Amino acid sequence: QVQLQESGPGLVKPSETLSLTCAVSGYSISSGYSWGWIRQPPGKGLEWIGSINHIGSIYYNPSLKSRVTLSVDTSKNQFSLKLSSVTAADTAVYFCARRDNGLVAYWGQGTLVTVSS
Amino acid sequence: EIVLTQSPGTLSLSPGERATLSCRASQSVSSSYLAWYQQKPGQAPRLLIFGASNRATGIPDRFSGSGSGTDFTLTISRLEPEDFAVYYCQQYGRSPDTFGQGTKLEIK
Repeated sequence: QVQLQESGPGLVKPSETLSLTCAVSGYSISSGYSWGWIRQPPGKGLEWIGSINHIGSIYYNPSLKSRVTLSVDTSKNQFSLKLSSVTAADTAVYFCARRDNGLVAYWGQGTLVTVSS
Repeated sequence: EIVLTQSPGTLSLSPGERATLSCRASQSVSSSYLAWYQQKPGQAPRLLIFGASNRATGIPDRFSGSGSGTDFTLTISRLEPEDFAVYYCQQYGRSPDTFGQGTKLEIK
């Protein structure tokens, strides 16, 4: 069974960089699919941030592209998100996910990141 | 980007009733690359329908999807207590993938 688990700070100061990691179990990242991030501000809808596959091909949401860095570590079977210059508008639950031709059948449980001084 | 508009925002029904949720796209969704997800409080979304009308693995047959082009529908034939949740549509045919704002299905 494929499982994903997010980890990282729950509180980030404005203008700093949000960093999250997603550990994958039950499937080897290097075997395929794309691996990405979706966020959900409190009480609001879902927004794709971006995704990366095992060979480093990256898809970014254009609205966030200038601030997002995605990376994958196949040796640890995990992938990571960095979002720079955060503001309160970046406060959200961040989900990591496996993207299969656009569909998301596997999600992490989500982690709340609050941007506040 | 393709904007998805879901209606109604909130739907109040009783168990056993039929639910009809709508998702309208600002542009045609290619090859019916339209999915539906269910999200319960404190949980990640769960994939219900893909390709507009195909049920994902393990999804009960009371859930069905239909539509093409710009108009799509999720129907729940007979509501069970566990079906009360928020439902999102997603288009994945044109980058960037986008989601609708959600329909909350609540118990009347």
